[in-house]
Amino acid sequence: GENVEQHPSTLSVQEGDSAVIKCTYSDSASNYFPWYKQELGKRPQLIIDIRSNVGEKKDQRIAVTLNKTAKHFSLHITETQPEDSAVYFCAASVTGSARQLTFGSGTQLTVLP
Amino acid sequence: NAGVTQTPKFQVLKTGQSMTLQCAQDMNHNSMYWYRQDPGMGLRLIYYSASEGTTDKGEVPNGYNVSRLNKREFSLRLESAAPSQTSVYFCASSLGQGSNEQFFGPGTRLTVL
Repeated sequence: GENVEQHPSTLSVQEGDSAVIKCTYSDSASNYFPWYKQELGKRPQLIIDIRSNVGEKKDQRIAVTLNKTAKHFSLHITETQPEDSAVYFCAASVTGSARQLTFGSGTQLTVLP
Repeated sequence: NAGVTQTPKFQVLKTGQSMTLQCAQDMNHNSMYWYRQDPGMGLRLIYYSASEGTTDKGEVPNGYNVSRLNKREFSLRLESAAPSQTSVYFCASSLGQGSNEQFFGPGTRLTVL
């Protein structure tokens, strides 16, 4: 089955700096890669996703890049703010009607004021 | 719309006791999922239901059973709880049919003594 590895497990940045979180996946059939943000005690929420026919996608301060050849994808957050502090999860979708997601182990991002 | 709802929010069980976690969605989604979240391990899929009337095992199904009662409801049952099942359980749903975003419920924090 699919295996998703996520790095780093913790990341601290100064407010205003950029943050980058990286994930690798093992199944070349995966074609959907979402990123979820989970604040303390809350449910995970989708912040951005990318499909395999696209190399990069941006949404305001958030961007995701995908390298299918190397089987890795990354989340980029620019101009970080304290409210960006949360756990971020990457995931990859195994092809199938139910679109099962395999999640990475998460990155605790702390934005220091 | 309430989205995805779960009951209960918290539960404490003794080893060997049984219980059912309830999940319902009001978004007319076809697919529903049960995950468990443990520290440092991300979200792991227990069972999923691609559509009403079907259920399939995920990554960690042992010790659990599920029922897709109707299109709205998907329950998770622990027949004989074990301390290793102490975790936070999240239910999620997605439209399916090419739409991949999964919407999560608020979670159930379960402790097995």
